[in-house]
Amino acid sequence: QKEVEQNSGPLSVPEGAIASLNCTYSDRGSQSFFWYRQYSGKSPELIMSIYSNGDKEDGRFTAQLNKASQYVSLLIRDSQPSDSATYLCAVNMRGDYKLSFGAGTTVTVRA
Amino acid sequence: DTAVSQTPKYLVTQMGNDKSIKCEQNLGHDTMYWYKQDSKKFLKIMFSYNNKELIINETVPNRFSPKSPDKAHLNLHINSLELGDSAVYFCASSQDNQPQHFGDGTRLSIL
Repeated sequence: QKEVEQNSGPLSVPEGAIASLNCTYSDRGSQSFFWYRQYSGKSPELIMSIYSNGDKEDGRFTAQLNKASQYVSLLIRDSQPSDSATYLCAVNMRGDYKLSFGAGTTVTVRA
Repeated sequence: DTAVSQTPKYLVTQMGNDKSIKCEQNLGHDTMYWYKQDSKKFLKIMFSYNNKELIINETVPNRFSPKSPDKAHLNLHINSLELGDSAVYFCASSQDNQPQHFGDGTRLSIL
């Protein structure tokens, strides 16, 4: 079983729609959860971090965490063509410094 | 005033050569990392240093040797380069378990 799994994609959504990205993780003791965005040929850029159960909103982005289900998601509302990128879920699995990344979900927003 | 900077940005070399990649961060972070991102875009931790001490050493061939002269610098030396070493190598830094900030990456191509 992979440590962090994401829906494989690619995910294509029309402009203005909601993009929904899912991520599950294997270590029940995981404490910190992050979503990174990576444009083609660029470095990963942090867009959201979440540490406790529930929802966290930042602009058009909402992260949702459910530790009992070992599940974290990212919603992108009012999707824009500039949101087209690969989204990486990252989990701090043991409270140490190691981040485990999912394989990423590529999102394409159609104008 | 780049936060995490890596050099060189591109590295093209022949199999069997030895090469180094340098990384510097000006964020005052205590922890620095090296990641490898392969052609399938999977991002995997290689090494981590906290205050110049090695704290994470994943299953990486011993041809790869990190060196941290001080907490703001983490260099990666690779001996006897192989075709499979072709990838993008990212340096990152963080303070404690806070989100990691990535450099722009070094694209290594082995001929």
